[in-house]
Amino acid sequence: GAVVSQHPSWVICKSGTSVKIECRSLDFQATTMFWYRQFPKQSLMLMATSNEGSKATYEQGVEKDKFLINHASLTLSTLTVTSAHPEDSSFYICSARGYRGDADTQYFGPGTRLTVL
Amino acid sequence: KQEVTQIPAALSVPEGENLVLNCSFTDSAIYNLQWFRQDPGKGLTSLLLIQSSQREQTSGRLNASLDKSSGRSTLYIAASQPGDSATYLCAVDNQGGKLIFGQGTELSVKP
Repeated sequence: GAVVSQHPSWVICKSGTSVKIECRSLDFQATTMFWYRQFPKQSLMLMATSNEGSKATYEQGVEKDKFLINHASLTLSTLTVTSAHPEDSSFYICSARGYRGDADTQYFGPGTRLTVL
Repeated sequence: KQEVTQIPAALSVPEGENLVLNCSFTDSAIYNLQWFRQDPGKGLTSLLLIQSSQREQTSGRLNASLDKSSGRSTLYIAASQPGDSATYLCAVDNQGGKLIFGQGTELSVKP
């Protein structure tokens, strides 16, 4: 079964609204979570890295005030797209890294498709 | 800055054919390299992960090789099937879990 979940799986919103996407590790504690973005017909691009209890580290070119990341617990990270615009429409995928049993592993969520009208 | 390149961008083969997908990376200081499969509109399915100390990994009809010194990896798919049709992504980890992805190879296996 799924090890990392994302909610919602898809969302449609009006321009100017904010959207929150959740990423949960279901049966292990994720000390680090990563957020990626994938535009149509393109590959995944890392947006930011979040460690539990500390501020996220953003990749160059990613606006931290627009993409708010919170990693408040070892099983949950959230990405909030603030004042979304059509150009933010994309497939957002998280991954969670931590120890599952004795193994240092990383699992990807199923993704969230955001469409901004 | 690590860059990952995959060729070809697209590939169409008849069912039953063996095929090779290529991945190259510019910085050989990697922790591991991973091959993923992505179906249209879906998330990622991890296929094979090769640690930097390993040369290859095998799973069923899939075999992935890694040559760190030359910055190359290949994914070999034996006896391809229509169900193998998908986009295959190569990703390298050279900084604590942050994956750098290639552009992918879109594979179509014709019945």
